[in-house]
Amino acid sequence: GAGVSQSPSNKVTEKGKDVELRCDPISGHTALYWYRQRLGQGLEFLIYFQGNSAPDKSGLPSDRFSAERTGESVSTLTIQRTQQEDSAVYLCASSLHGQGREYFGPGTRLTVT
Amino acid sequence: DQQVKQNSPSLSVQEGRISILNCDYTNSMFDYFLWYKKYPAEGPTFLISISSIKDKNEDGRFTVFLNKSAKHLSLHIVPSQPGDSAVYFCAASANNFNKFYFGSGTKLNVKP
Repeated sequence: GAGVSQSPSNKVTEKGKDVELRCDPISGHTALYWYRQRLGQGLEFLIYFQGNSAPDKSGLPSDRFSAERTGESVSTLTIQRTQQEDSAVYLCASSLHGQGREYFGPGTRLTVT
Repeated sequence: DQQVKQNSPSLSVQEGRISILNCDYTNSMFDYFLWYKKYPAEGPTFLISISSIKDKNEDGRFTVFLNKSAKHLSLHIVPSQPGDSAVYFCAASANNFNKFYFGSGTKLNVKP
């Protein structure tokens, strides 16, 4: 079956530009997570969506970061006025609520020049 | 402050021997722990998990041990195979899975 997909797989952008990253979760998965992995570091939680509940945005590093999810399907992570420190791999994961394990996409590698 | 720590960034093991990957946590509210495996250019994949009501969980060559008093868990791989070479992340959650905390990963290299 289809897993979690993310697009684009790679994105190079100039400092100050906005970028939008997309995540398509596994069909039927009510929970969706965004993480960031900087070079040589672990996964950093960004945001969590669960059904129609208000998202947990506690991990978003600044107001330049925002995310939306349409129902229980696709999610987009938007970074405005990108900075070089935003360069990282952005990973999306989905799960069934209460399942206790996540299914990850392959990630989007963002490079801000 | 990182609540889940993997203090060994890398580990090298001979094929056929045991690999032991360690993970420490600070939050006593964590009650569910997972290990993920990650190959280059791929997302992490789930490997094994353990609930805090248990101290051991085994799945084939993989065993996870949990020591709640020490706030420590470990992943044992026996016997190690070259295909096990990857980055291993431990993760923890507190009672409702709405947020997982990940360690920084340990890169395992299994030498043939």
